[in-house]
Amino acid sequence: GQQVMQIPQYQHVQEGEDFTTYCNSSTTLSNIQWYKQRPGGHPVFLIQLVKSGEVKKQKRLTFQFGEAKKNSSLHITATQTTDVGTYFCAGDGGGGFKTIFGAGTRLFVKA
Amino acid sequence: KAGVTQTPRYLIKTRGQQVTLSCSPISGHRSVSWYQQTPGQGLQFLFEYFSETQRNKGNFPGRFSGRQFSNSRSEMNVSTLELGDSALYLCASSLRGDRTGELFFGEGSRLTVL
Repeated sequence: GQQVMQIPQYQHVQEGEDFTTYCNSSTTLSNIQWYKQRPGGHPVFLIQLVKSGEVKKQKRLTFQFGEAKKNSSLHITATQTTDVGTYFCAGDGGGGFKTIFGAGTRLFVKA
Repeated sequence: KAGVTQTPRYLIKTRGQQVTLSCSPISGHRSVSWYQQTPGQGLQFLFEYFSETQRNKGNFPGRFSGRQFSNSRSEMNVSTLELGDSALYLCASSLRGDRTGELFFGEGSRLTVL
């Protein structure tokens, strides 16, 4: 079945450093979504990318969708302690109505 | 607008028992998905319901079942519980009708099997 792979699994950064997580799918995706889960919380939707090569920004967060619609990335500029949590990418699992999540990248930010 | 509500939030069961978890989606949302979250496996898709019909399911044994009612509320049931079923069970609702869209998650039901 379709798989969504995400790296790295963990990332420790010093506050102010940049952070990037990468997502790769075994098949072409109709769209890619990104979620953030704070420790002890539930996943919260951040953004959805639909178009090939699409780039979207939310303040310090930059999201990219690859030209082939099989990979995506999330880049955070100048991390803050409020950025801690796990970032998940998610894509259509094929056959419709099945959103498959990557394993997530847990971000630790040291003040 | 109220968010996704899951009950109970926490529960402890013993092996062999069964459990029923409930999810009330955001008003107007007709799609409900269920996920199992464990530290080692991440978020694993269980099933998705829309207008009382299961449209897709993940790779879980038949002990895991679900249903959706006419008011879009959903329940999932796990029978003959095993230790490995200990997890956070997340419900997510969505407006989507014919394609995937933004998922709104509830706080989850944390199940511990002893």
